[in-house]
Amino acid sequence: DSGVTQTPKHLITATGQRVTLRCSPRSGDLSVYWYQQSLDQGLQFLIQYYNGEERAKGNILERFSAQQFPDLHSELNLSSLELGDSALYFCASSVRAQGAEAFFGQGTRLTVV
Amino acid sequence: AQKVTQAQTEISVVEKEDVTLDCVYETRDTTYYLFWYKQPPSGELVFLIRRNSFDEQNEISGRYSWNFQKSTSSFNFTITASQVVDSAVYFCALSEAGEGRRALTFGSGTRLQVQP
Repeated sequence: DSGVTQTPKHLITATGQRVTLRCSPRSGDLSVYWYQQSLDQGLQFLIQYYNGEERAKGNILERFSAQQFPDLHSELNLSSLELGDSALYFCASSVRAQGAEAFFGQGTRLTVV
Repeated sequence: AQKVTQAQTEISVVEKEDVTLDCVYETRDTTYYLFWYKQPPSGELVFLIRRNSFDEQNEISGRYSWNFQKSTSSFNFTITASQVVDSAVYFCALSEAGEGRRALTFGSGTRLQVQP
């Protein structure tokens, strides 16, 4: 158990819908990352937050947004969903903004039908 | 730009064989960090090791060992006396120290199948 909690574990939704994925980082970790894993794109970095502030953006679509709350949990919002958004979404946390190992949650499997 | 290449897509070995997973990286930074993660069939990503660019000492942890060579930009991972439980996809990853580049960049992964 990495200590990072993601909910829900599975999500099935229709095209055009909006969903919210939730992540609770390990106790004491200030940095949260979101990654997308798909068969064709591999593991892609989406966005990073550190202590409530956005620190870096990767290949995140404009239809996607995220935030980190004062209690350090984070949410990833995916809207106007398309079939191609079907993937495994991981949240990871680390104690620092740079250089520290990141611990991953079990992921949320999103299926868009 | 940072890049990680894992040229071996899939490796199949028989139990008790030694196996080496290759990882080659590209970075323009002098300070960077290298990682290996394991993704078993259950799907979670498990942290295995972290190395910073100033520490070229090789590391051994039980049956696992890592060989970091800056001269060839490689960070290879060897499993000695492989076991069926080692079957998984293994990812090498890199993060740089520069602002906006600190997230992990992953290689495409190597699927290891250990046959009994």
